[in-house]
Amino acid sequence: GENVEQHPSTLSVQEGDSAVIKCTYSDSASNYFPWYKQELGKRPQLIIDIRSNVGEKKDQRIAVTLNKTAKHFSLHITETQPEDSAVYFCAARPTGNQFYFGTGTSLTVIP
Amino acid sequence: NAGVTQTPKFQVLKTGQSMTLQCAQDMNHNSMYWYRQDPGMGLRLIYYSASEGTTDKGEVPNGYNVSRLNKREFSLRLESAAPSQTSVYFCASSQGRSSYNEQFFGPGTRLTVL
Repeated sequence: GENVEQHPSTLSVQEGDSAVIKCTYSDSASNYFPWYKQELGKRPQLIIDIRSNVGEKKDQRIAVTLNKTAKHFSLHITETQPEDSAVYFCAARPTGNQFYFGTGTSLTVIP
Repeated sequence: NAGVTQTPKFQVLKTGQSMTLQCAQDMNHNSMYWYRQDPGMGLRLIYYSASEGTTDKGEVPNGYNVSRLNKREFSLRLESAAPSQTSVYFCASSQGRSSYNEQFFGPGTRLTVL
């Protein structure tokens, strides 16, 4: 099956700086890549996603890039704020109904 | 709309006891999923149901069974709980008709097996 690796596992940034989280996947059939944010004690919630026919997608301070050749995709958060502190998960979905998740990145934004 | 709901929110079991985790969604979604979340392990798929009447194993199905009762409900059963099943369990649903469907998660069930 698909294998998704996520780095780093923890990340601390100063408020206002940018944060980048990277994921790699193994199955070239994967064609949908969502990112989830999970606040402490809460459920994961989708923040942005990208399809395999798109190289980049932006939504205000959040952007995701995808390199199909290298099989990696990244989450970029600009102008970080304390409320961005959470655990972020990447995922990949090959053909079918299964999603494969990375192990998560705990982001701390220091005021 | 309530979205995805799960019961119970918390549960403590003794080794060998059984229990069923309930999940329901009101978004008319076709696909439903059960995940477990352990520290440092991310979300791991236990079982999923692509559509009403079908269920399939995920990455970590051992020790669990599922039932897709109808389109709305998908339950997870632990027949003989073990301490290794201590985890947070999330149910999720998605439209499922294409590869580009967002998953919506329930609030989770925190299970402790003593």
